[in-house]
Amino acid sequence: NAGVTQTPKFQVLKTGQSMTLQCAQDMNHNSMYWYRQDPGMGLRLIYYSASEGTTDKGEVPNGYNVSRLNKREFSLRLESAAPSQTSVYFCASSVNGVGGYTFGSGTRLTVV
Amino acid sequence: GEDVEQSLFLSVREGDSSVINCTYTDSSSTYLYWYKQEPGAGLQLLTYIFSNMDMKQDQRLTVLLNKKDKHLSLRIADTQTGDSAIYFCAESNDSGGGADGLTFGKGTHLIIQP
Repeated sequence: NAGVTQTPKFQVLKTGQSMTLQCAQDMNHNSMYWYRQDPGMGLRLIYYSASEGTTDKGEVPNGYNVSRLNKREFSLRLESAAPSQTSVYFCASSVNGVGGYTFGSGTRLTVV
Repeated sequence: GEDVEQSLFLSVREGDSSVINCTYTDSSSTYLYWYKQEPGAGLQLLTYIFSNMDMKQDQRLTVLLNKKDKHLSLRIADTQTGDSAIYFCAESNDSGGGADGLTFGKGTHLIIQP
């Protein structure tokens, strides 16, 4: 009964470093999402995947790439981290039906 | 594009009712949601309402929807210290798992006074 699992929970990067945030869900959901949460900004959609094999840009995709590895996993990659990418990142999934999304517990990323 | 507005803060006394308000602009919204975020945690779905409903009640939670005014509210009866959190209003114009994600408000910090 894990739901949506994100790793790592915390990360500090230097400007220019790269990293991949991992997300996996065990609910057989079709759709998966990456959001970032910043103070006073609410949640903003970075990328989403409506189904296995498809990905699309959200509101704030610049500086990020994603991979929908299989139905369970949806990763977010920062190729060259910038201080503006300091944020809390949430992965979510949805079955495509009623009930909204299930969120992971978040990854707190600091870029120095 | 779509927009969802909420007040940033609400302070209530323990035992009183809390009413958190939300307005949205998308007239084709199909589902409206309330999420709760406790410190250091992810968002937890509290409740949702379909756009053809006026009200939904679930224990201490009551959701009211005025579709004409595009106004949604969440009432928490007998507010407890455990209700202290950020509450997010969100809307979607499809079944909720659609391609372009939910649109979230910026969240309302509910502060409980003893």
